[in-house]
Parts: sequence; structure tokens; C-alpha cells
Amino acid sequence: DGGITQSPKYLFRKEGQNVTLSCEQNLNHDAMYWYRQDPGQGLRLIYYSQIVNDFQKGDIAEGYSVSREKKESFPLTVTSAQKNPTAFYLCASSLTGRRTDTQYFGPGTRLTVL
Amino acid sequence: EDKVVQSPLSLVVHEGDTVTLNCSYEVTNFRSLLWYKQEKKAPTFLFMLTSSGIEKKSGRLSSILDKKELFSILNITATQTGDSAVYLCAVIDDKIIFGKGTRLHILP
Repeated sequence: DGGITQSPKYLFRKEGQNVTLSCEQNLNHDAMYWYRQDPGQGLRLIYYSQIVNDFQKGDIAEGYSVSREKKESFPLTVTSAQKNPTAFYLCASSLTGRRTDTQYFGPGTRLTVL
Repeated sequence: EDKVVQSPLSLVVHEGDTVTLNCSYEVTNFRSLLWYKQEKKAPTFLFMLTSSGIEKKSGRLSSILDKKELFSILNITATQTGDSAVYLCAVIDDKIIFGKGTRLHILP
């Protein structure tokens, strides 16, 4: 089955710990994205990557880091520098990095910091 | 500042009713508008609109864009409980901007 997978579904971490969220796609899409969704707010872009080995900061990149070593994978690390990391994290991909491309989403990871 | 505003924020109707969800936007270089349905997890793509006045239709859902008045509507006719979800509108200019969503709840 083609699609985007994210793991884990739920994640709990203690304050001060870094944690990495996984995102994998087998759609052969060039571009991948990470969003954060908070109650009552729209999706906010954290990082995006239009091509392997390249990525750009989104609107709220502080306290996060990413890598794009493989086309299929775009892991997001939530570092201890992120002040309010508890949120629902969504990964998306699009066929190319063109601005008009539709983005397709993974199932999300709900991160709770204790 | 670029923005996308959806209304209403939430809506409760009875099964069988017709609903209209609104999305207005102000962006610098509009390219397209997207509608997504988000149930418990990932938003699933519904429509992409790029041209004014052309209705996109899929079953009981339809959507249209007005680029002059800078808004789009999403219509759902003969609603069913399975339509209960958050409906997200997003606009692409030089980036994608999401609205906060409309939470729709259909009562049986």
C-alpha cells in the first residue's frame, strides 16, 4: 500500500529530553513537510524539504531539527529547547516541491511532555 | 499579513441537513485553495480549487472558489454522521497557510 506512515502514534517524554518522530513515505514524493497542530489553531509549518539532502525552516522551526538523508524519510527531532512541545505533529508529502502541489498527510503523532 | 479565516468555528446539525462552510483569505500571490477533512488523525484531501466559479463535486460534497471576493465555500448535502470532522481550508501562495478549521458535528 502506498502512503505516509508516522510513528509512534502516541509519545510521552520528560522535560529536558530530546525525542525523534518518524515519517516515512513510499509514494516517491520529492517534498516532505512537518506541521504542528494545537487546539484552536491551524496547522503551522515547522520544516520542509523539497529534495533529498536539503531542507528549509518553516514558521516555527525553533527547538526542532530535521534531516533528509533518504527520499522516503524525514524524521523530526523535538529538542529540549522547544518551550512548549506538547502537540499533535503531522507529516505530509507532495509529489514535487512546487507550491501548487497538493500535500498528503500521515496519521500524526501526539506528543505529550510530562 | 497573509491569513486564512474559516467560519463558523463549529457547527452542530442534524443528519440530513445541508451545511455550508466558509473560508476567506488574504494572501499576496494566490495560487490555489485546498479543502481537507480531518477526523481523528490525518487530514484527507478533498478538493483543490484554482479557478473562480468552477464547482468541484464529489458525491454529496461540493466546493467553489470566488477569487474576486477572496473566499471559498464547501457544501455538504444530506449530511450523515460520518461527515462529523474538522474541515480545514488551506491557501497556497508562496507557502501553504492553513485556517483553524470548522468543527462539524452531525447528530443522528
